[in-house]
Amino acid sequence: AQSVSQHNHHVILSEAASLELGCNYSYGGTVNLFWYVQYPGQHLQLLLKYFSGDPLVKGIKGFEAEFIKSKFSFNLRKPSVQWSDTAEYFCAVKSTGGGNKLTFGTGTQLKVEL
Amino acid sequence: DGGITQSPKYLFRKEGQNVTLSCEQNLNHDAMYWYRQDPGQGLRLIYYSQIVNDFQKGDIAEGYSVSREKKESFPLTVTSAQKNPTAFYLCASSLFGVGKGNTEAFFGQGTRLTVV
Repeated sequence: AQSVSQHNHHVILSEAASLELGCNYSYGGTVNLFWYVQYPGQHLQLLLKYFSGDPLVKGIKGFEAEFIKSKFSFNLRKPSVQWSDTAEYFCAVKSTGGGNKLTFGTGTQLKVEL
Repeated sequence: DGGITQSPKYLFRKEGQNVTLSCEQNLNHDAMYWYRQDPGQGLRLIYYSQIVNDFQKGDIAEGYSVSREKKESFPLTVTSAQKNPTAFYLCASSLFGVGKGNTEAFFGQGTRLTVV
């Protein structure tokens, strides 16, 4: 069965610190990869996505992610976080090997302190 | 406005009653999904549908049922067989298929169901 793992459940950072959130998935075939963000009291929004081509993708608000096929990973990064980045972050995968269903990880709660 | 509408936002039901959550989209998307969000468990897939009149079980389908009679509608029924129904339910839709440039899912605002 397909699965998505997010290794960090809770992360606390100071403003201006760098961020990297891990995401690994487990199945083959063609994959589409996503990072979503859920700000407090708001609904899920797409941060960035990978479909093909350049494995380094850039999203909104200065976020980027790198797809490493050999490691089945799609880690999210931001060089300098802001207090407003406090939110929950979800990695998601859709694959031909997974029957085209969209599977999410368990999420990472990020808190950025002033 | 284009988007996904879930109703109601808050729902209270007595234990043992079935309840149906509404999800409507006007994005002309082929695929629709129902997720359950619980603290620390992320989004778990209940059911999904890739085309009208067809749907598949997700990872936690027991105690739930769905229908997809129209492309724009994908209602979820939480039955009395669901042992722990109190949760936040999210509906999403996307264009069908993998490998295309725009198959990300768009989400509704969710329905918080409380069973007492």
